[in-house]
Amino acid sequence: GESVGLHLPTLSVQEGDNSIINCAYSNSASDYFIWYKQESGKGPQFIIDIRSNMDKRQGQRVTVLLNKTVKHLSLQIAATQPGDSAVYFCAENIENTGNQFYFGTGTSLTVIP
Amino acid sequence: NAGVTQTPKFQVLKTGQSMTLQCAQDMNHEYMSWYRQDPGMGLRLIHYSVGAGITDQGEVPNGYNVSRSTTEDFPLRLLSAAPSQTSVYFCASRRLAGGQETQYFGPGTRLLVL
Repeated sequence: GESVGLHLPTLSVQEGDNSIINCAYSNSASDYFIWYKQESGKGPQFIIDIRSNMDKRQGQRVTVLLNKTVKHLSLQIAATQPGDSAVYFCAENIENTGNQFYFGTGTSLTVIP
Repeated sequence: NAGVTQTPKFQVLKTGQSMTLQCAQDMNHEYMSWYRQDPGMGLRLIHYSVGAGITDQGEVPNGYNVSRSTTEDFPLRLLSAAPSQTSVYFCASRRLAGGQETQYFGPGTRLLVL
């Protein structure tokens, strides 16, 4: 399978600080990426996506940055809140591979009040 | 819309038993898939379907069967459960648009095989 990895398995931040979660991928043909949030006991929830023809995309309090040169993806969460505590996954879709997504192992974010 | 629904939420099986995990979506999505999630590992694709009557294998298909008789339903069958199949199973669906469409996940089924 594809190598979609996360640099840090766990991350702790103070409430109100910004969080950065990183993801590396190995296939240069990856053309679409998604960040998911998974709370304990629940299914993954879509946060934000980005296509390979973009470098940056912003949502509400979240920003995804894509660096195709080094095959790196990051999720930035502004003003982190206790409700942001969860496991975050990146997933990639590789051009012309059918319709499969490949998932990273996840980073556990803990927000300290 | 209810989105993606899964039943049961939790199941305990003995080795060798069979069961079917149910998945349904009401968004008229062509693509549906089953993943398993194990500690320390990312979601791994078991089987997927791009439309009614069409199924295909994913990364870890052994020990599982699927069928897609309708657009809405995509059941996953374990014919003879093994302890190695203890996991959390997620069903997902999305539209087909060149691969660049986000997937929506169900709440999961937690399976324990003794």
